[in-house]
Amino acid sequence: EAQVTQNPRYLITVTGKKLTVTCSQNMNHEYMSWYRQDPGLGLRQIYYSMNVEVTDKGDVPEGYKVSRKEKRNFPLILESPSPNQTSLYFCASSRGQVTYEQYFGPGTRLTVT
Amino acid sequence: GQSLEQPSEVTAVEGAIVQINCTYQTSGFYGLSWYQQHDGGAPTFLSYNGLDGLEETGRFSSFLSRSDSYGYLLLQELQMKDSASYFCAAIDYKLSFGAGTTVTVRA
Repeated sequence: EAQVTQNPRYLITVTGKKLTVTCSQNMNHEYMSWYRQDPGLGLRQIYYSMNVEVTDKGDVPEGYKVSRKEKRNFPLILESPSPNQTSLYFCASSRGQVTYEQYFGPGTRLTVT
Repeated sequence: GQSLEQPSEVTAVEGAIVQINCTYQTSGFYGLSWYQQHDGGAPTFLSYNGLDGLEETGRFSSFLSRSDSYGYLLLQELQMKDSASYFCAAIDYKLSFGAGTTVTVRA
C-alpha cells in the first residue's frame, strides 16, 4: 500500500530534550515536506526537500532541523524543544514535478511541557 | 511569501451547494490546490488549477482566475460526509496554505 508513515504518533516531552520524528514514504517520491498545524493558522511549511541531500526552509523553520540522506526518509529534529513547538505535525511527499498533489502522513501530536 | 484568505466557517444542509472562496497574494505562483481534512486527520488532495478556468472532479469543482488572484472550491450535492475542513494552497516549490474553512453539513 502506498503510504507516508510517521513515528511516533503522539509524544509528550519536556523543554530542552532533543527529539526526532521520523517520516518515511514508499512511493519513490522526490519531494518531501514537513508542516505544523495550529488552530486558526492552517498548515505551515517548516522545511522541504526536492531530492536527496537537497533541503530548504519553509515559512517557519526556526527551532527545527531536517536531513535527507535517503530518498524515502525525511526526519524532523527538534534539538531543544520549547512549549511553542507544541503542535500537530504532518509529513508529506509528492512526485517532484507534481508538488500540488501532496500525500500526507497520519500526523504526530507533540506536546512540550 | 504567500498570503491566502478563505472564510473560517460555512454551514449548509444536505443536498445544497457550497462555494469556498480563496484569495491570495504571492511572490511566486504556479497554481492553486485544494485539500480536505476530517477532524485533524491527514489532509487529502482534492483538486488543482494550474490554468485559469474550471476543473471538475465528480461533485467537486475548482476555479482559478490568475488576473484576480482568486479561486474557489464548489461542493455540490452536499452529503454529511463532506463535513470537514477545506484548505486552499498556493503552489510554488514552497507550499502555502490558507487557514482553512470548516464546512458543517446539517440534515
